[in-house]
Amino acid sequence: EAGVAQSPRYKIIEKRQSVAFWCNPISGHATLYWYQQILGQGPKLLIQFQNNGVVDDSQLPKDRFSAERLKGVDSTLKIQPAKLEDSAVYLCASSFISGVYYNEQFFGPGTRLTVL
Amino acid sequence: GQQLNQSPQSMFIQEGEDVSMNCTSSSIFNTWLWYKQDPGEGPVLLIALYKAGELTSNGRLTAQFGITRKDSFLNISASIPSDVGIYFCAGQEETSGSRLTFGEGTQLTVNP
Repeated sequence: EAGVAQSPRYKIIEKRQSVAFWCNPISGHATLYWYQQILGQGPKLLIQFQNNGVVDDSQLPKDRFSAERLKGVDSTLKIQPAKLEDSAVYLCASSFISGVYYNEQFFGPGTRLTVL
Repeated sequence: GQQLNQSPQSMFIQEGEDVSMNCTSSSIFNTWLWYKQDPGEGPVLLIALYKAGELTSNGRLTAQFGITRKDSFLNISASIPSDVGIYFCAGQEETSGSRLTFGEGTQLTVNP
C-alpha cells in the first residue's frame, strides 16, 4: 500500500514570497492533517480535514496560511506571504477516520521549507 | 496550547544498554503515543496506549500509560545502532478531541 505522498521535498524562498505544498493521503483515508515541525521541536497541528470539511484549524495562522481539500482527497497548504519564522518541515498525515478514540495517523516524509 | 514535557532532550548510550524516557503534562490525556522519527522522514508510530495503567510492549520497546493519565514512559532494552533517531511522545488531551499534542522529542544516539 502506498504511503502519504508529499511534494516538493525541499523548497527555498525569500521572505514575502508565496509557496504551496501538496499532499496525497493514503487511499481511503478520510482524515488529513497538516503539521508544522520547527527544527528541534515536535510537530504542531495546523489544520485537520475530515473528507473536504475543516475539523480543526484553531492553530493555523489564518492571516498568511490557507489550506484546501476540494475533492476530499489531495490537499494543498499555502503560505502567502512567507516570513523567516515559517522555516520548518511541513508534514502531512492521514488516518482512516478521526474521533475520540485514536486512529493511527500515517505521516508523509514532509516538505522542508527554508525562508531567506 | 498544552505542552508535553519530554525528557531527557538527548541521550548518548553504548550499544546493548537500556534506555528510558518519559513525558509529563499538566492536564489529563485519553491516549498516549510514542513515535520515532528518522532524518528526512515523518514520525512512525511505535506504541499506542489507551487506558490508565496500561503497559504495552513491542519487541524491545515497552511503554506505560501513567495512572494519573498525565504521564507516560518508554523503555528500550538492549539498544542497537538502528535505534538511533528522535523519539516523540504524543497524546490526545481530554479536552481537545482528536487533536494530537507532541512532546519536544528525545534525540537518541547509540555508539556501537
